[in-house]
Amino acid sequence: KAGVTQTPRYLIKTRGQQVTLSCSPISGHRSVSWYQQTPGQGLQFLFEYFSETQRNKGNFPGRFSGRQFSNSRSEMNVSTLELGDSALYLCASSLGGMGTEAFFGQGTRLTVV
Amino acid sequence: AQTVTQSQPEMSVQEAETVTLSCTYDTSENNYYLFWYKQPPSRQMILVIRQEAYKQQNATENRFSVNFQKAAKSFSLKISDSQLGDTAMYFCAFMRLLGANSKLTFGKGITLSVRP
Repeated sequence: KAGVTQTPRYLIKTRGQQVTLSCSPISGHRSVSWYQQTPGQGLQFLFEYFSETQRNKGNFPGRFSGRQFSNSRSEMNVSTLELGDSALYLCASSLGGMGTEAFFGQGTRLTVV
Repeated sequence: AQTVTQSQPEMSVQEAETVTLSCTYDTSENNYYLFWYKQPPSRQMILVIRQEAYKQQNATENRFSVNFQKAAKSFSLKISDSQLGDTAMYFCAFMRLLGANSKLTFGKGITLSVRP
C-alpha cells in the first residue's frame, strides 16, 4: 500500500508570491490534515479536510487555505508569502474516525527568501 | 484548549540501555487519546505507541511502553534496549475523543540520541 505522498519535497519562493502544496493520502483514507513545523513553534495544526469539507481549522491567517478533491487528494495554498512562512509542511492522512492513526508524509520544505 | 508539554529538549542514552521521555498535558476532557510519534532525520513522522485515556492498562509495543498517569496528566515513554535507529525527535501528542476531528496537538518534542 502506498504511503502518503507530498509534492514537491522542496520549494524556494520569494516573499509576496503564492505557493500550492499537494498531498495524496493513503488509498481509502478520507481525512487529510496539514501541519506546519518550525524550530520555534514546533508542530502546529493548520486544518483538516474530510470528504471534501473542512471540519477543523487552526489559528492561522486567511492567507493559508486548503481544499480536498473527490479522490481525497488535498492541496494547501499560501498567498502573499512572508519570511516567517518558511517551514516544513506535513500532511497526515487517516480513516477519519475517532482516535484513528494518522500517517504522515515526508513533508514539503518551503523556504521563503 | 489542550496543551502538551515536553520539558526536556534533549536526551542521550547508551545503546542497549533504557531511557524514559517525559510528557505532561492539560485538558478538561475525560476521554481522549495520547500518542508518541517519532521523527527521524528523514522527517517522516512515525507512530510509536497510542494510549486510550479510558484504558487503565498502559500500552506496550515491543521495546516501547508508556506510563500513563491520568490523574497527574502524565504520559511518559520508556524505550528499553535502546538501538541506534531510535535516534530521532520524539513528539507527544493529544487527540480529543469528542467531536468529529483528527486534530493532533503536539508537544515541542525531544531530541533523543543513542550513543554506540
